[in-house]
Amino acid sequence: QQPVQSPQAVILREGEDAVINCSSSKALYSVHWYRQKHGEAPVFLMILLKGGEQKGHDKISASFNEKKQQSSLYLTASQLSYSGTYFCGTENGNQFYFGTGTSLTVIP
Amino acid sequence: EAGVAQSPRYKIIEKRQSVAFWCNPISGHATLYWYQQILGQGPKLLIQFQNNGVVDDSQLPKDRFSAERLKGVDSTLKIQPAKLEDSAVYLCASSLNSGAGIQYFGAGTRLSVL
Repeated sequence: QQPVQSPQAVILREGEDAVINCSSSKALYSVHWYRQKHGEAPVFLMILLKGGEQKGHDKISASFNEKKQQSSLYLTASQLSYSGTYFCGTENGNQFYFGTGTSLTVIP
Repeated sequence: EAGVAQSPRYKIIEKRQSVAFWCNPISGHATLYWYQQILGQGPKLLIQFQNNGVVDDSQLPKDRFSAERLKGVDSTLKIQPAKLEDSAVYLCASSLNSGAGIQYFGAGTRLSVL
């Protein structure tokens, strides 16, 4: 029931783009995205609700395809501050699961 | 606005001992979550409260873990007796409502079981 993320890890140079995917085996009501820096608690990025919407937050955006039970997080023109582990969180009914995580490292 | 408060920040115990963690959510937040995060893994939901009722505790090892949220505000999570594999960071989060609500996390309690 834990959503699977891909890739597991990615290294980028500043200014490059990245896509992180999240896939669930269960029907989803919503998808959350969080970023966690080493030794810190997860921090909310965005929520996507049913309806295939796409949201944006500065140069980070996401899409949600409820039919495919998938979500993707898009990071454009990456900055050093984007480094961290990204988790999707999926909600179906009353149950919430964080994904397997994607470690993203941005280097100068 | 004050964030989610957790204590203690660190705890070291020996196996078979008991331990308790405390969480004070953001004022007015009806939903409270306890997560276990093992190093290198994503947070695993242990229990979710809506006010003082349990919404989901399907992943809580009930033979050794217990949690309560009296009066629908503060919450405590207890482990008794602890095992080596319980070494992890225990995160508390709260949200205004359940469902598609933004979760705000506390700093966590790092537990080491020796």
